Amino acid sequence: DQQVKQNSPSLSVQEGRISILNCDYTNSMFDYFLWYKKYPAEGPTFLISISSIKDKNEDGRFTVFLNKSAKHLSLHIVPSQPGDSAVYFCAADGSEKLVFGKGTKLTVNP
Amino acid sequence: DSGVTQTPKHLITATGQRVTLRCSPRSGDLSVYWYQQSLDQGLQFLIQYYNGEERAKGNILERFSAQQFPDLHSELNLSSLELGDSALYFCASSVRTSGGAGETQYFGPGTRLLVL
Repeated sequence: DQQVKQNSPSLSVQEGRISILNCDYTNSMFDYFLWYKKYPAEGPTFLISISSIKDKNEDGRFTVFLNKSAKHLSLHIVPSQPGDSAVYFCAADGSEKLVFGKGTKLTVNP
Repeated sequence: DSGVTQTPKHLITATGQRVTLRCSPRSGDLSVYWYQQSLDQGLQFLIQYYNGEERAKGNILERFSAQQFPDLHSELNLSSLELGDSALYFCASSVRTSGGAGETQYFGPGTRLLVL
């Protein structure tokens, strides 16, 4: 039973354009969500988070949107840069542990 | 650099053997979490320790065990290793003082285990 789903295994965008990564969850008890970026051979790096009392959180080029009624969140990267190419994991805080999606591989082409 | 350290970075061993993975959390963090990432899989939660005590368990095999020491570093012990145990093992830490939700976990660089 996959409680956090990232349905797009990969995404390719042009440098300077917007990247939108999506994530769906099934457990309505989740109340804190995080995005991590992961480069090969490295650990996940925390990117941005959002509490369920908000619907938007912004940090520089990164914005996370949360739609609780749809149990959906998305990460927007604007403008996308080649250095953003990595695997992005969505995670939900399930109290005492994080529940991760399987990741979306983002490729930003120069 | 997250401040979480893990050793060793790589480990190659044979089936049936036992290995120990080590993790040092960020300064001030009381909670340590262990995750496993197998090929084409997301990160799977194994176990959490808070200030020396086990707090939560995920899909951790009985052949695996962990502990957190008084200096807050943690070790994950994997025994009777099988080929399928080959994976990346990550440690993460957070402050998490009371077990409430809403805390960010910071990950170490991982240990890549290869069982031959």
